[in-house]
Amino acid sequence: GAVVSQHPSWVICKSGTSVKIECRSLDFQATTMFWYRQFPKQSLMLMATSNEGSKATYEQGVEKDKFLINHASLTLSTLTVTSAHPEDSSFYICSAPDGQGTGELFFGEGSRLTVL
Amino acid sequence: GEDVEQSLFLSVREGDSSVINCTYTDSSSTYLYWYKQEPGAGLQLLTYIFSNMDMKQDQRLTVLLNKKDKHLSLRIADTQTGDSAIYFCAGWGKLQFGAGTQVVVTP
Repeated sequence: GAVVSQHPSWVICKSGTSVKIECRSLDFQATTMFWYRQFPKQSLMLMATSNEGSKATYEQGVEKDKFLINHASLTLSTLTVTSAHPEDSSFYICSAPDGQGTGELFFGEGSRLTVL
Repeated sequence: GEDVEQSLFLSVREGDSSVINCTYTDSSSTYLYWYKQEPGAGLQLLTYIFSNMDMKQDQRLTVLLNKKDKHLSLRIADTQTGDSAIYFCAGWGKLQFGAGTQVVVTP
């Protein structure tokens, strides 16, 4: 099946710094990618929909200036957590629908962010 | 209440069947999914069912969909220790996920 890769898988940073997480579709093109956030022992919360060539669509309650999303190409979307604080520590997961119209979503391995 | 509800924990003995249940309120999704998440990992698609089907069987997995009651279930036959994970049902218009069911398989 299709593969979605995230990088880095784990990042630790100091409070106030910015962190960029990449999501790549390795063997298919993804005009749309989704970013989720998962707190320990909780479900995934959809943060935003990343659209290639246009602005991302953010879910209610998600700060656009805090979580910058850029979908620069058909295989790459990035999530930048700006001025990170400890409460931003979480597991961030991206996904992309396959290009065949089945509705199947392929998920990245997730990126664990720890802000000290 | 929540749009998608799942029981949070299930303990089964190795070799028994596991049944994970999910109820939902929004019936607009074309596809309904079951995902598996192992500790510290991303989500792995286990199976999915079209909304116009009642049942789908895939090796040890059986998905049942009761559209009238808005109830989705996943049955894992001959549960193994490697099946210990969190299972999420998902679907619906805005990619809503259930809270996840932690399945623990005991020898």
